[in-house]
Amino acid sequence: DAGVIQSPRHEVTEMGQEVTLRCKPISGHDYLFWYRQTMMRGLELLIYFNNNVPIDDSGMPEDRFSAKMPNASFSTLKIQPSEPRDSAVYFCASSLAAGGGIGYTFGSGTRLTVV
Amino acid sequence: ILNVEQSPQSLHVQEGDSTNFTCSFPSSNFYALHWYRWETAKSPEALFVMTLNGDEKKKGRISATLNTKEGYSYLYIKGSQPEDSATYLCASTHYNNNDMRFGAGTRLTVKP
Repeated sequence: DAGVIQSPRHEVTEMGQEVTLRCKPISGHDYLFWYRQTMMRGLELLIYFNNNVPIDDSGMPEDRFSAKMPNASFSTLKIQPSEPRDSAVYFCASSLAAGGGIGYTFGSGTRLTVV
Repeated sequence: ILNVEQSPQSLHVQEGDSTNFTCSFPSSNFYALHWYRWETAKSPEALFVMTLNGDEKKKGRISATLNTKEGYSYLYIKGSQPEDSATYLCASTHYNNNDMRFGAGTRLTVKP
């Protein structure tokens, strides 16, 4: 398996533009997580899905952020409109189970810069 | 929101030094404690998962211990090498929720 695949690796966009981040989890993993990493706050959980259904989106910062998982092999995180404070590295991770004794596999991340 | 705290925030040691850092987590409804190693420009890599009080895990020069009663875990690195330089993240999971919450990490720099 190629692991968790995220695209793009880097994204530079202007303030006000729409940004879409993509993630392909490991086949067979029922859980998918979106994290945001910043220097100030470390790694923050934004939202996670179980069997394509959003379970907990309490970490999504505001209505400008939305996430979807239309099928078991694809998820998107969208920011519209983007703002400079959204600049961060966004990680997607997948797992056979949520937490518990099974660790997560992370993608390589998308570094987002909003200017 | 669970409070997972790690200390110190950053650490600079000389090659060959042994070092350790701490992760504290809420002990109520505890299920598992995870340690990850995160190198710059790469994704976090799983090191250990521990569930039982008193658990000790070892991988080469790196080891970890777990105290679930008081809610802390230590990560030890024996004879640090420059390639150990990374951010070490811990995360805990609990029976009353289904996700993993991370601490802010300890950034380790090992100078040759």
